[in-house]
Amino acid sequence: GAVVSQHPSWVICKSGTSVKIECRSLDFQATTMFWYRQFPKQSLMLMATSNEGSKATYEQGVEKDKFLINHASLTLSTLTVTSAHPEDSSFYICSAIPDRAYEQYFGPGTRLTVT
Amino acid sequence: DAKTTQPPSMDCAEGRAANLPCNHSTISGNEYVYWYRQIHSQGPQYIIHGLKNNETNEMASLIITEDRKSSTLILPHATLRDTAVYYCIVRVGKYDTDKLIFGTGTRLQVFP
Repeated sequence: GAVVSQHPSWVICKSGTSVKIECRSLDFQATTMFWYRQFPKQSLMLMATSNEGSKATYEQGVEKDKFLINHASLTLSTLTVTSAHPEDSSFYICSAIPDRAYEQYFGPGTRLTVT
Repeated sequence: DAKTTQPPSMDCAEGRAANLPCNHSTISGNEYVYWYRQIHSQGPQYIIHGLKNNETNEMASLIITEDRKSSTLILPHATLRDTAVYYCIVRVGKYDTDKLIFGTGTRLQVFP
């Protein structure tokens, strides 16, 4: 099956710094990728839809200047958490869709801890 | 997309069938029922989807009522590795090119 990877799998950073998370589709091209955030014991919350070659579409309440998304190629989307604060600590998960597929393939997630 | 309602938790003995219900009483004619699951600290995994006919694959079976207002995901022989949160999602479109909105899901605990 299709594989989606994320890097890093976990990261600890200091408050005020920026962190970049990569999402790669390893064996297929993905025009569309999604970014989710999940707090402990809660469900996944969609943050944004990432489209190759165009600006991301953010869900209501998600700060686009804080969570920068770049989808520069058909196999790579990046999420940059700028000026991170402890409340940004969360599990960030991406997903990607092959063309004409009926399922999304999810990455393993990145656990971000901001101290 | 239509809203879904699932029980917050269920238990199942290993080797027995796990039947996970989902209510989607406001589903529209062009909306599909999708099931995903998330094992602890991992990304979600697609299980199965259907429109109105019952569906079966190597992982599970999906039974949709005739009025399409509810469905049941069946894991025929649950194992300890099936312990996870199961999400029932209703969305438009056969091809998964649109966003998924996750509800609270059902936490299935399979015990020995």
